[in-house]
Amino acid sequence: DGGITQSPKYLFRKEGQNVTLSCEQNLNHDAMYWYRQDPGQGLRLIYYSQIVNDFQKGDIAEGYSVSREKKESFPLTVTSAQKNPTAFYLCASSRGLGGNSPLHFGNGTRLTVT
Amino acid sequence: AQSVTQLDSHVSVSEGTPVLLRCNYSSSYSPSLFWYVQHPNKGLQLLLKYTSAATLVKGINGFEAEFKKSETSFHLTKPSAHMSDAAEYFCVVSEGNTGFQKLVFGTGTRLLVSP
Repeated sequence: DGGITQSPKYLFRKEGQNVTLSCEQNLNHDAMYWYRQDPGQGLRLIYYSQIVNDFQKGDIAEGYSVSREKKESFPLTVTSAQKNPTAFYLCASSRGLGGNSPLHFGNGTRLTVT
Repeated sequence: AQSVTQLDSHVSVSEGTPVLLRCNYSSSYSPSLFWYVQHPNKGLQLLLKYTSAATLVKGINGFEAEFKKSETSFHLTKPSAHMSDAAEYFCVVSEGNTGFQKLVFGTGTRLLVSP
């Protein structure tokens, strides 16, 4: 079955360390996204990419970085510059960027930084 | 700019009774609207979407939603709740059908289903 795989499911880091979250999809989708979810809030867009080797900042990109070297993969690095990194991170993909292209989500990575 | 308001943070129903989750939106243009469901520690799954075709949209698991332009609403309903419906539900608005799919998520409604 096609889908999106995020790993690991839970991640613990010390403050000041960079950490990379993995996202892989086998849906052959062009567009990929990273969202952050905090309790009582909707999802907020961190970065998105519509093709390989191209990506754009979302609403809350500060303290994060991404790469898109392969169509299937869109890893997110949470850097030490991110002031409040503890959150649930969701990766998604879609066939295109238009309003008729629903998002397919992975099961998320819960990051805890102490 | 578009926005979406989910009027209830929590809704409690008994199994077998109707479900109503309310959503109002604000959009400058003809919007696309979605409902997604999230079970604990999982990603979001699309329930249904409205993209300017029929105003009554049927989704998976017996859910449906009605687009009412005059009321700027897109409420989600189900005639009879099941225990497995307990989850968090997000109303989402997207403007435009071309270019970047800028999605704005509501803050979510947690549906509790009691036996």
